[in-house]
Amino acid sequence: DSGVTQTPKHLITATGQRVTLRCSPRSGDLSVYWYQQSLDQGLQFLIQYYNGEERAKGNILERFSAQQFPDLHSELNLSSLELGDSALYFCASSAGQGNYNEQFFGPGTRLTVL
Amino acid sequence: KNEVEQSPQNLTAQEGEFITINCSYSVGISALHWLQQHPGGGIVSLFMLSSGKKKHGRLIATINIQEKHSSLHITASHPRDSAVYICAAGGVDDKIIFGKGTRLHILP
Repeated sequence: DSGVTQTPKHLITATGQRVTLRCSPRSGDLSVYWYQQSLDQGLQFLIQYYNGEERAKGNILERFSAQQFPDLHSELNLSSLELGDSALYFCASSAGQGNYNEQFFGPGTRLTVL
Repeated sequence: KNEVEQSPQNLTAQEGEFITINCSYSVGISALHWLQQHPGGGIVSLFMLSSGKKKHGRLIATINIQEKHSSLHITASHPRDSAVYICAAGGVDDKIIFGKGTRLHILP
């Protein structure tokens, strides 16, 4: 158990809908990272927050947004969902802000868009 | 050409064999990460390297910054080592780029 929690574990929804994925980092960690893992693209970095502020942005679509709240939990919002958004979404946390810190991964949320 | 290349893509070996997985990258990095993804999907960080060599149990990771190359070695491999091993380049721009992974299968 990494100490990182993600909810829900599974999510099934329809195209055009909007969903919110939630991540709680390990106690004491200030950074949260979001990743998408699809069968054809592999793991992709979406976005990183550090202590409530956006720190780095990867291949995140404009239809996706994220935020980190004062209690350090983070949410990833996916809107106008398409079939291709079906994937495993992982969050990870680390103590520091740079990507040279060890990351601890949550169990993931499996999103299926029908 | 991908910015992070792993080889081999798939590897099957007998229990006890010495395993090497390679990772080459073309971006400037702050650190190179090795991850393990179990068949159930969970991801565990194995190593984070910015120079030299690290060892943890039967696992050894090395990096050559000048050649932009890292290797993950498994000594005395065991069926429980069967997993997907992924290298990830933590760029100096704070972005993280993943290799496509190496699927390792250790036969008893």
